[in-house]
Amino acid sequence: GAVVSQHPSRVICKSGTSVKIECRSLDFQATTMFWYRQFPKQSLMLMATSNEGSKATYEQGVEKDKFLINHASLTLSTLTVTSAHPEDSSFYICSARTSGAHEQYFGPGTRLTVT
Amino acid sequence: GNSVTQMEGPVTLSEEAFLTINCTYTATGYPSLFWYVQYPGEGLQLLLKATKADDKGSNKGFEATYRKETTSFHLEKGSVQVSDSAVYFCALTLGTSYGKLTFGQGTILTVHP
Repeated sequence: GAVVSQHPSRVICKSGTSVKIECRSLDFQATTMFWYRQFPKQSLMLMATSNEGSKATYEQGVEKDKFLINHASLTLSTLTVTSAHPEDSSFYICSARTSGAHEQYFGPGTRLTVT
Repeated sequence: GNSVTQMEGPVTLSEEAFLTINCTYTATGYPSLFWYVQYPGEGLQLLLKATKADDKGSNKGFEATYRKETTSFHLEKGSVQVSDSAVYFCALTLGTSYGKLTFGQGTILTVHP
């Protein structure tokens, strides 16, 4: 089946620094990738949708200058949390799908802790 | 707007018990409906789906029927196993939303031997 990986799986950073999270589709071409945030015991909140080669579309209330998304190739999207603060601590999950498909394949998630 | 509501958890069952997790939705249009499962420490996996009214999705002994009249997509399994312990998410997508999923809040299921 289709596999999506994320790196790193866990990261701890100091307040004010930036962190980059990678999302890769390992065995298929992902024309669209999605980034979600999941709070403890809560559902996934869609942050943004990125299509290869174009700017990401952010959901209402998500700061695009704080959460930089790049989808430079059909197998890689990155999320950079800039000037991270403790309130950015969360579980970030990406998913990927091919053009025209309903199904999304999810990565295992990245646990970000900002101290 | 679109929304998905799942029954409150956590749900705790004994092995071989019958499972129902309720899911209802609100959508503008005709959504496709999904159940995803998240095992401890892992990413979400698609469990089953249904793309039109009266369709029944099934996988690994789990079933859910797309009920347009009650806007529901309840998840059922006749006999749960300890290995079914996970978080279950109901979700929908609309054809006009370019694949964006709207998730319910998730239901934690714990199955005891």
